[in-house]
Amino acid sequence: NAGVMQNPRHLVRRRGQEARLRCSPMKGHSHVYWYRQLPEEGLKFMVYLQKENIIDESGMPKERFSAEFPKEGPSILRIQQVVRGDSAAYFCASSPPRLASNTGELFFGEGSRLTVL
Amino acid sequence: QKEVEQDPGPLSVPEGAIVSLNCTYSNSAFQYFMWYRQYSRKGPELLMYTYSSGNKEDGRFTAQVDKSSKYISLFIRDSQPSDSATYLCAMNYGGATNKLIFGTGTLLAVQP
Repeated sequence: NAGVMQNPRHLVRRRGQEARLRCSPMKGHSHVYWYRQLPEEGLKFMVYLQKENIIDESGMPKERFSAEFPKEGPSILRIQQVVRGDSAAYFCASSPPRLASNTGELFFGEGSRLTVL
Repeated sequence: QKEVEQDPGPLSVPEGAIVSLNCTYSNSAFQYFMWYRQYSRKGPELLMYTYSSGNKEDGRFTAQVDKSSKYISLFIRDSQPSDSATYLCAMNYGGATNKLIFGTGTLLAVQP
């Protein structure tokens, strides 16, 4: 499968636990974006990463949330001490470098749905 | 006021109808305008993008941008049941970050 791969597709956590969401971009893509989709709301930008660099994290909550895209391996979105309000669908998207700034064309994964009990 | 406003619907039309989906925005700095389609429980996929005011056509889909009115539209001709999905408008400022600002999406149902 050459698409953006996200796992797990569904994750259930109790309040206070940690959630780790993984994203492998499309082959040849070096830019990764994380978006959050809450019920009845549109997709909200969280963070934009390139390999080993956070480029724009203006949409990330100040506490408990972190993201990384290491030199090897998938991008990870980490949520510590989850609360019920973190329940949402988290989408990862990727793009090749040249397209990223010009057309808005992002290739999205199928999302990871986090439920916090 | 939200940066991008989109009527959430739902919008129900008979097969073969012309569908009009719209978004308004408040920030004149937006440079690129996109329409994404999202099927239930799936990720969004890009349908069309435009840069300048005017129309852009791709098959049964036409995207229209009116920068003076801060208004964008997506028209679907000869709508099919397979077009049933949520349609998200999105826009960005251009530049390095490609941070997209999405509307809330319009749920479209095309009845056979």
